[in-house]
Amino acid sequence: AQRVTQPEKLLSVFKGAPVELKCNYSYSGSPELFWYVQYSRQRLQLLLRHISRESIKGFTADLNKGETSFHLKKPFAQEEDSAMYYCALKRNQGGKLIFGQGTELSVKP
Amino acid sequence: DAGVIQSPRHEVTEMGQEVTLRCKPISGHDYLFWYRQTMMRGLELLIYFNNNVPIDDSGMPEDRFSAKMPNASFSTLKIQPSEPRDSAVYFCASRPTGNTGELFFGEGSRLTVL
Repeated sequence: AQRVTQPEKLLSVFKGAPVELKCNYSYSGSPELFWYVQYSRQRLQLLLRHISRESIKGFTADLNKGETSFHLKKPFAQEEDSAMYYCALKRNQGGKLIFGQGTELSVKP
Repeated sequence: DAGVIQSPRHEVTEMGQEVTLRCKPISGHDYLFWYRQTMMRGLELLIYFNNNVPIDDSGMPEDRFSAKMPNASFSTLKIQPSEPRDSAVYFCASRPTGNTGELFFGEGSRLTVL
């Protein structure tokens, strides 16, 4: 069965510190992985996807199939990064997107 | 495009009452999803439709929950009778076919059942 696990409900860091939001998944096939973000009073929106191998707002995420992980990283956190972050998995051939429990990132000044 | 539109934005009701949440997807999107967001469980997929047909409703918690999509521009999620544990934010999202998985979310409907 597909499952996405985000072990931390809350992650609090100071501005300028590195941040890593953890995401592990279980799926026997070839998954597509995503990170979504929900800023205060805004809609949930796509941040990045593994197939694009892109950096968005300084965030990157690498798919590690050996460790079944897709951790989100940023070298220097900013206060405006404070938000709820969700990791999500989509089966290669399927239509549905399964989300993890979410991690609230709080960046303090 | 105004994006995915949900109504009501907030609803407070008493246990046992019927609740109907509404969603208008983005025009041209053939997939529609209903999610429930709670602190404990995060974002749970309840059901999704493709071309107005329910494809997977395995996430619907119990028979009190039902969802319909009578046409390409409208969907409802109904809870009857409602219970306090149904209190959550319910999100509707849509996406087009062929898209690489990006969902476009509505602003959500916050439901409180007293």
